[in-house]
Amino acid sequence: QKEVEQNSGPLSVPEGAIASLNCTYSDRGSQSFFWYRQYSGKSPELIMSIYSNGDKEDGRFTAQLNKASQYVSLLIRDSQPSDSATYLCAASSGGSYIPTFGRGTSLIVHP
Amino acid sequence: DAGVTQSPTHLIKTRGQHVTLRCSPISGHKSVSWYQQVLGQGPQFIFQYYEKEERGRGNFPDRFSARQFPNYSSELNVNALLLGDSALYLCASSLTGGAGYGYTFGSGTRLTVV
Repeated sequence: QKEVEQNSGPLSVPEGAIASLNCTYSDRGSQSFFWYRQYSGKSPELIMSIYSNGDKEDGRFTAQLNKASQYVSLLIRDSQPSDSATYLCAASSGGSYIPTFGRGTSLIVHP
Repeated sequence: DAGVTQSPTHLIKTRGQHVTLRCSPISGHKSVSWYQQVLGQGPQFIFQYYEKEERGRGNFPDRFSARQFPNYSSELNVNALLLGDSALYLCASSLTGGAGYGYTFGSGTRLTVV
């Protein structure tokens, strides 16, 4: 069974700090990885995708992938209260095309 | 340009009833996926359709069924509703549903079974 594991949190960081969100996955065949942000009562919104080992930066967000360790992370620099949300990690393989989602990590950015 | 449209937004049903949820993908997107999200959990995969063909089915009972129409819109049907079916049902649209593409989700249908 393909699993994506995330610490449910909450992760609490002060405004302006770096928030680090982590995710591990069980399927070594996973090739594509995604981070979604979900505000309370809303649907998930895609914020980052990563396919190769290393870092990928987009504005204040950096996704990191280590396939050998089966580990994906999301760094949010200069965290803002508006970043307070649940962050979902998802992984999919070339074979199934179906992303498996983790349960999400709740992030709270306090002023 | 319209995003992913789901209807209805909220629904209250009684145990044993049937429900139909609807989804229209982004224009040009040919793949629709359905997910169930229970409070505090991540989305759980139910079905994926691409070009009107079922591409995948999650670990849900046969009470759950779906189809995709020629215009790529989709319906999710749930028969004999149980209290445990209460959840947010999400429709996700993607160009092809391929592993390399992220999803665009609709706003969801909040189903409450009483």
